Amino acid sequence: ETGVTQSPTHLIKTRGQQVTLRCSSQSGHNTVSWYQQALGQGPQFIFQYYREEENGRGNFPPRFSGLQFPNYSSELNVNALELDDSALYLCASSFDRGDTEAFFGQGTRLTVV
Amino acid sequence: AQSVTQLDSQVPVFEEAPVELRCNYSSSVSVYLFWYVQYPNQGLQLLLKYLSGSTLVKGINGFEAEFNKSQTSFHLRKPSVHISDTAEYFCAVFLNTGRRALTFGSGTRLQVQP
Repeated sequence: ETGVTQSPTHLIKTRGQQVTLRCSSQSGHNTVSWYQQALGQGPQFIFQYYREEENGRGNFPPRFSGLQFPNYSSELNVNALELDDSALYLCASSFDRGDTEAFFGQGTRLTVV
Repeated sequence: AQSVTQLDSQVPVFEEAPVELRCNYSSSVSVYLFWYVQYPNQGLQLLLKYLSGSTLVKGINGFEAEFNKSQTSFHLRKPSVHISDTAEYFCAVFLNTGRRALTFGSGTRLQVQP
């Protein structure tokens, strides 16, 4: 089991609402990446935060945004939720932005109805 | 752009039989290669990785993979599977330049039957 924790584990939102997902990185790690895993698919990279700044972004619209705090924990915010946003959201932390090994949390299952 | 193809969406196999899960990738630059396992309702756990050196990589739980540069493949193997190996397996690449993020394949569901 990794030291990466995510909250909540499950939640249900209505289309058009906003949601915030949280991630606590493993001790000593300064880099956090977020991934979206739709049902039956592999995870897709949303963005990465390194020392409180965005350090790369995948093909996701601006309504997906994030934050990283001084303790290197992170938030993923999604505005104007759509049905297709229903997925497992995974957070991964790394020792540094160039580190090849990422440690994943257990994920947050978001259902949009 | 890089991409990862996992050729089999499901692989059924009997307990104690050998198994191979196939992965091919494409990239215009050199990459690092990974296999992750995902058990139901859990996150991803690293099985093994190839960064450089010997092309045969050994990982946890008795798994191994072989990097073949000419065939751009990184197939995962286990000589004898257990019921507990039933899970989803993901192959992934990581560019060693530019964007430092994993690109995953669509996954292979390994179903081990008694």
